[in-house]
Amino acid sequence: GDSVTQMEGPVTLSEEAFLTINCTYTATGYPSLFWYVQYPGEGLQLLLKATKADDKGSNKGFEATYRKETTSFHLEKGSVQVSDSAVYFCALLNSGNTPLVFGKGTRLSVIA
Amino acid sequence: KAGVTQTPRYLIKTRGQQVTLSCSPISGHRSVSWYQQTPGQGLQFLFEYFSETQRNKGNFPGRFSGRQFSNSRSEMNVSTLELGDSALYLCASKTFTGGARTDTQYFGPGTRLTVL
Repeated sequence: GDSVTQMEGPVTLSEEAFLTINCTYTATGYPSLFWYVQYPGEGLQLLLKATKADDKGSNKGFEATYRKETTSFHLEKGSVQVSDSAVYFCALLNSGNTPLVFGKGTRLSVIA
Repeated sequence: KAGVTQTPRYLIKTRGQQVTLSCSPISGHRSVSWYQQTPGQGLQFLFEYFSETQRNKGNFPGRFSGRQFSNSRSEMNVSTLELGDSALYLCASKTFTGGARTDTQYFGPGTRLTVL
């Protein structure tokens, strides 16, 4: 079945550092790919998405490019802030009546 | 437009009891899905409802059930609670375009259930 693999956390960075969180997927067909973020004590918020190969999703300084050849959707941000501290989830949605498939999440801590 | 709302936000129950959680989707969204989030298992899909019908179901025991009303609001019920049912239960809604892979789910803040 479909699956998503994210890099293990936690990831600890200093403020203004460059962020990369790796995400790879296994799926039949051509899924859509998503990044969700969960701040402490809250639900999931959609951060960005891409629906086809070579699409780049972006939001709040975060970017991710749908790479079909490497089945990847890595999340990047050029300069992280303390307020970016959260858990980040990569997810895919395939066609048909299938639910969202999530990775296990990567906890990011940004220190001042 | 208001987001997905879930009530209550926090619940404490004891083993053997039952619990009902409620979810109101974003206006116009007709599909509601439920997920269980635990530190060990991560995010696991429970079920999805559309037009008052269950469209999809995850791998959970029959103690977990749900329903959807004509106004798209949804409830999930857990009977005979076990300690392992302690989790954050998340509801998500989306517009339904016939299973298109571009449908985006929007999540509520969750209900934190603690079973003692």
